[in-house]
Amino acid sequence: TQLLEQSPQFLSIQEGENLTVYCNSSSVFSSLQWYRQEPGEGPVLLVTVVTGGEVKKLKRLTFQFGDARKDSSLHITAAQPGDTGLYLCAGKASGGSNYKLTFGKGTLLTVNP
Amino acid sequence: GAGVSQSPSNKVTEKGKDVELRCDPISGHTALYWYRQSLGQGLEFLIYFQGNSAPDKSGLPSDRFSAERTGGSVSTLTIQRTQQEDSAVYLCASSETGGGYGYTFGSGTRLTVV
Repeated sequence: TQLLEQSPQFLSIQEGENLTVYCNSSSVFSSLQWYRQEPGEGPVLLVTVVTGGEVKKLKRLTFQFGDARKDSSLHITAAQPGDTGLYLCAGKASGGSNYKLTFGKGTLLTVNP
Repeated sequence: GAGVSQSPSNKVTEKGKDVELRCDPISGHTALYWYRQSLGQGLEFLIYFQGNSAPDKSGLPSDRFSAERTGGSVSTLTIQRTQQEDSAVYLCASSETGGGYGYTFGSGTRLTVV
């Protein structure tokens, strides 16, 4: 079983601060995705990374896939209240099912005005 | 449709009753998934449908759970003789192919068994 550990589990910050959340595993993933979920809604895909060392930017969000494809990070610059939500990482295991994603338990981010 | 549609959005049922949860995927998406999200437990894979292939039922927690997908489109997840531990948010997702590069999720059905 491939596990994805996310940290921290909870994060509460003030508007304008920077933050980084992490997604780690002992397994290699052929691709990894980040989702954001708001209360009462399903997760919404933010980004997919597939190459070790890859960095992708989405406005104030920067996603990085580790060189060994076992870990990933999400950095948010100048957080805003609209960034509040549950951030989930999910990966497709290398050599595993071609469709089944393993999800982490998420980081619950609260950005206070 | 424009997105993945799930119904009902909320369901409260008595222990021992059967429930049916419906998912209408994005038109043209051949792959459909059911996941369960419990508080503090993350998303748990339940079942996967791809076109006309036999579904992957490996995530169904017991034989009280079943799912079907009619005509390669709408799917129904059925839970028989519901138990309190079945209380969770049931999420449906679809994708164009195998989904290894991302799903589109519905808003989920919040099931409460009392």
